[in-house]
Amino acid sequence: ETGVTQSPTHLIKTRGQQVTLRCSSQSGHNTVSWYQQALGQGPQFIFQYYREEENGRGNFPPRFSGLQFPNYSSELNVNALELDDSALYLCASSLDRGSYEQYFGPGTRLTVT
Amino acid sequence: AQSVAQPEDQVNVAEGNPLTVKCTYSVSGNPYLFWYVQYPNRGLQFLLKYITGDNLVKGSYGFEAEFNKSQTSFHLKKPSALVSDSALYFCAVRDIGNKFYFGSGTKLNVKP
Repeated sequence: ETGVTQSPTHLIKTRGQQVTLRCSSQSGHNTVSWYQQALGQGPQFIFQYYREEENGRGNFPPRFSGLQFPNYSSELNVNALELDDSALYLCASSLDRGSYEQYFGPGTRLTVT
Repeated sequence: AQSVAQPEDQVNVAEGNPLTVKCTYSVSGNPYLFWYVQYPNRGLQFLLKYITGDNLVKGSYGFEAEFNKSQTSFHLKKPSALVSDSALYFCAVRDIGNKFYFGSGTKLNVKP
């Protein structure tokens, strides 16, 4: 197992609500990426944070936002939840930005009803 | 548009036989290419990567992948499959804008 942890494991929210997901990166890693994985699909890149700054963003609307803290842990915030936001949200950390491989956490399963 | 394609949803192979899981990509600039494996109820695990240099890359668990620039492919291979290799395999690429793209995944079934 990697040293990447995510919380909570599961979450149920109602459409229109807001949610915050959390990720602790592997020790020594300064880069965190977030992905959305719908059932039966590959992960979709949301964004990446490097040393507390956004360092790349996929095709997700602004209601998906993030933070990275000085200890390199990270949060993913989603506002105005929609039914299609139901998915597994994965966090991945890497030693640095660039060519380094990513180490994934187990994910947070979000269900929007 | 940037993308990764894994043309096979599922690959079936007998234990001991060689296996290939296909991946093609479309990205601007020189790609950084990765393979990940996802076992049931476990997170994605890194297998190998190609950044530059030798087109044949060796990774974990005896897997290797061959980068072919002209065919824009990065196929995953193993000379002799094990039942324990059965899992979901994802190809991924990072573009020059630091965006990551994953394929839809290929389920590998290795039968004893």
